Amino acid sequence: AQSVAQPEDQVNVAEGNPLTVKCTYSVSGNPYLFWYVQYPNRGLQFLLKYITGDNLVKGSYGFEAEFNKSQTSFHLKKPSALVSDSALYFCAVRDGDNAGNMLTFGGGTRLMVKP
Amino acid sequence: NAGVTQTPKFQVLKTGQSMTLQCAQDMNHEYMSWYRQDPGMGLRLIHYSVGAGITDQGEVPNGYNVSRSTTEDFPLRLLSAAPSQTSVYFCASSPGMSGGLGTQYFGPGTRLLVL
Repeated sequence: AQSVAQPEDQVNVAEGNPLTVKCTYSVSGNPYLFWYVQYPNRGLQFLLKYITGDNLVKGSYGFEAEFNKSQTSFHLKKPSALVSDSALYFCAVRDGDNAGNMLTFGGGTRLMVKP
Repeated sequence: NAGVTQTPKFQVLKTGQSMTLQCAQDMNHEYMSWYRQDPGMGLRLIHYSVGAGITDQGEVPNGYNVSRSTTEDFPLRLLSAAPSQTSVYFCASSPGMSGGLGTQYFGPGTRLLVL
């Protein structure tokens, strides 16, 4: 079975400061990892993914994430937060060795960026 | 190109009533899925389809039926609504039989309240 843990229900950060949203995963095969963002009353939007290659992945809106295999983590980061980054963020994983495998989502982390 | 569309946006049902949530995509994606989103639980997969005529169960399929007669449409049927089915429902699609390496495009959601 595969699973995702997002240990923080909410992350608060001041505008202009760096932000980190944490994610750890468990999967038996090769991990394919994803971050999605959800703004109020909207569907989820894809931010970035790690399939293979460089451990540092760059995505939309200045976000990046670092894949750490030994720590089974895929933390989302941004060097300088904006108020408009305030949203709900979801980490997701699937087993890349299983073509029929589906995505499993974490419980979500609410990011609050204060002016 | 409308992407993934869902109707209705909001619905109130009485216990025992049945209804169909509509989902359509115009991107010619093979893979489509239905999730429900509940507070603190992330998104849980209800049913999915890897192509027209093919459907399978996800993590929480009980009380729901799906069919996929065309590539574009993937309706979700609630057979006999229960208060436990109060949730926000999201439809998603992605290209490729293996889910397009997992990158999914989400609809705006349907908010369902069962009294």
